Amino acid sequence: DIQMTQSPSSLSASVGDRVTITCRASQSISRYLNWYQQKPGKAPNLLIYAASSLQSGVPSRFSGSGSGTDFTLTISSLQPEDFATYYCQQSYITPRTFGQGTRLEIK
Amino acid sequence: QVQLVQSGTEVKKPGASVKVSCKASGHTFSDCYLHWVRQAPGQGLEWMGWINPNSGGTNYAQKFQGRVTMARDTSISTVYMELSSLTSDDTAVYYCARESQLRSDYWGQGTLVTVSS
Repeated sequence: DIQMTQSPSSLSASVGDRVTITCRASQSISRYLNWYQQKPGKAPNLLIYAASSLQSGVPSRFSGSGSGTDFTLTISSLQPEDFATYYCQQSYITPRTFGQGTRLEIK
Repeated sequence: QVQLVQSGTEVKKPGASVKVSCKASGHTFSDCYLHWVRQAPGQGLEWMGWINPNSGGTNYAQKFQGRVTMARDTSISTVYMELSSLTSDDTAVYYCARESQLRSDYWGQGTLVTVSS
């Protein structure tokens, strides 16, 4: 199975900050990498697919980059509604695997 | 619009089985695989498997092999996930999610399954 490792596991930041979350795959997954946001009590919400494509309806302050084994999710200017947990997921092969999550908290 | 509506909360005793449903609407049922993902309290997302609604073919995570069954009823655009031999470790919220072009773009609202004696 492909292991997905996110860093950091948690992060404190302020409104307006620029934030970057990283995700590393245990083997190359080309650009088959998705990012999800999850708020408490809610289902995950797709933000970025294919490493860098913005899902329809997602604000442009979210962006993704990377290929192979190393990927990043960047939020250019944090808004109050962005405080949540973020997960990466590889869709290169089955079983699909998720990172352990990054909890983004208000400083 | 695409919607995935799941069945309601379940409380089961250890050793029992649970069957969760996920009814799809707003898209052609046979076009997209349906995945099941679970989340234990305070934990991350865990992929369980997928079902191809067109063929009924399935692929399960090794962890759940022999204990999980995914099925579909095309007449009512519904997929099912049955998990047997439940233990307290199976207490979690279970989600179905549509995968289109290798991304899960629509998710059900989640079904809480509590396993307790």
